[in-house]
Amino acid sequence: AQSVTQPDIHITVSEGASLELRCNYSYGATPYLFWYVQSPGQGLQLLLKYFSGDTLVQGIKGFEAEFKRSQSSFNLRKPSVHWSDAAEYFCAVGAVNTGNQFYFGTGTSLTVIP
Amino acid sequence: DAGVTQSPTHLIKTRGQQVTLRCSPKSGHDTVSWYQQALGQGPQFIFQYYEEEERQRGNFPDRFSGHQFPNYSSELNVNALLLGDSALYLCASRRQGEGTEAFFGQGTRLTVV
Repeated sequence: AQSVTQPDIHITVSEGASLELRCNYSYGATPYLFWYVQSPGQGLQLLLKYFSGDTLVQGIKGFEAEFKRSQSSFNLRKPSVHWSDAAEYFCAVGAVNTGNQFYFGTGTSLTVIP
Repeated sequence: DAGVTQSPTHLIKTRGQQVTLRCSPKSGHDTVSWYQQALGQGPQFIFQYYEEEERQRGNFPDRFSGHQFPNYSSELNVNALLLGDSALYLCASRRQGEGTEAFFGQGTRLTVV
């Protein structure tokens, strides 16, 4: 069965510190992987995506993620966190033949302290 | 480009009533999907529309139905509302094809009382 696990419900980091948000997936086919960010009461904004090719992908706002097939992981990283990065982060998996049927994790809430 | 727009932004309904939510896809997009996001949860796929037909459906009851119009806009209808239907309803659009990304609207916050 398809699923996404985000093991960290909540993470707190200091501004300027590095960040890594974990994502593990279970998928029966070659996955397309995504990270979305959601501010309170808002919709989802795409940070980055992996379809194929280079397993290290760069996204907006200085985020990057690495696809590791052997570990079924797609962890999100940022070298230096800004206060404006505080939000909810969702990892999602899908495939071209399922169109928009993405499977989302339960999210990781990020708090940034000054 | 206005992106994906949804209306209304907030809605309060009484249990047992019916509700219609609307979505206009991003310009150039022809495929629309709907998601339900309960408080503290990730979005759950409801269904997807392409060429005015429901193409895929998630694990939601028949009380949830939809429609896509020739201009690609879409509606989500929920009948016989339950308290548990209270959630943020998100619309996502994309251009049909391999590897195209989905853009999400801001959502409609539905509260059932």
